[in-house]
Amino acid sequence: DAGVIQSPRHEVTEMGQEVTLRCKPISGHDYLFWYRQTMMRGLELLIYFNNNVPIDDSGMPEDRFSAKMPNASFSTLKIQPSEPRDSAVYFCASSYRARAFFGQGTRLTVV
Amino acid sequence: DAKTTQPNSMESNEEEPVHLPCNHSTISGTDYIHWYRQLPSQGPEYVIHGLTSNVNNRMASLAIAEDRKSSTLILHRATLRDAAVYYCILRIQGAQKLVFGQGTRLTINP
Repeated sequence: DAGVIQSPRHEVTEMGQEVTLRCKPISGHDYLFWYRQTMMRGLELLIYFNNNVPIDDSGMPEDRFSAKMPNASFSTLKIQPSEPRDSAVYFCASSYRARAFFGQGTRLTVV
Repeated sequence: DAKTTQPNSMESNEEEPVHLPCNHSTISGTDYIHWYRQLPSQGPEYVIHGLTSNVNNRMASLAIAEDRKSSTLILHRATLRDAAVYYCILRIQGAQKLVFGQGTRLTINP
């Protein structure tokens, strides 16, 4: 398996634009997580899914953030509208039997 | 969620053992102890986990205190590639989410 695949690897966008981050989990994994990492706040759990159903979205910072998992092999994290404070590295992870595997991350810069 | 406390940073020399401590005095009987590490410019990766007994795998060993209020991740022979931030995390039995703290930044000197 190729591991968790995230795209794009880097994204630069202007404030106010919509940003969509994509994730393909490892086949057979039943949990999917979205994390955000900044120097100030470290790794923050935003939302996670179990069998494509959102379980806990209490970490989503505000209504500008939304996440979907339409099927077992794909998830998106959308920010609309984006703001400079959203600049961070966003990680997707999938897990099976409590072992999580992380993607390489998407580095988002909002200018 | 029960909290963990780790030193901000540690330093060691190549080819020597490294002992990374973690305190978790409020751990409950059903909390698993997980360790992940994050190499520069990469996502975190799983290292090891345990509940009560010491655990060994190809990457490391996990030593858990008898009262479970602390644990130690042991790298038996550090290499330069082990330089990373190491996270000690408590996971509630039956739950899947992992809440990361600040971790310990490990520097390996050649």
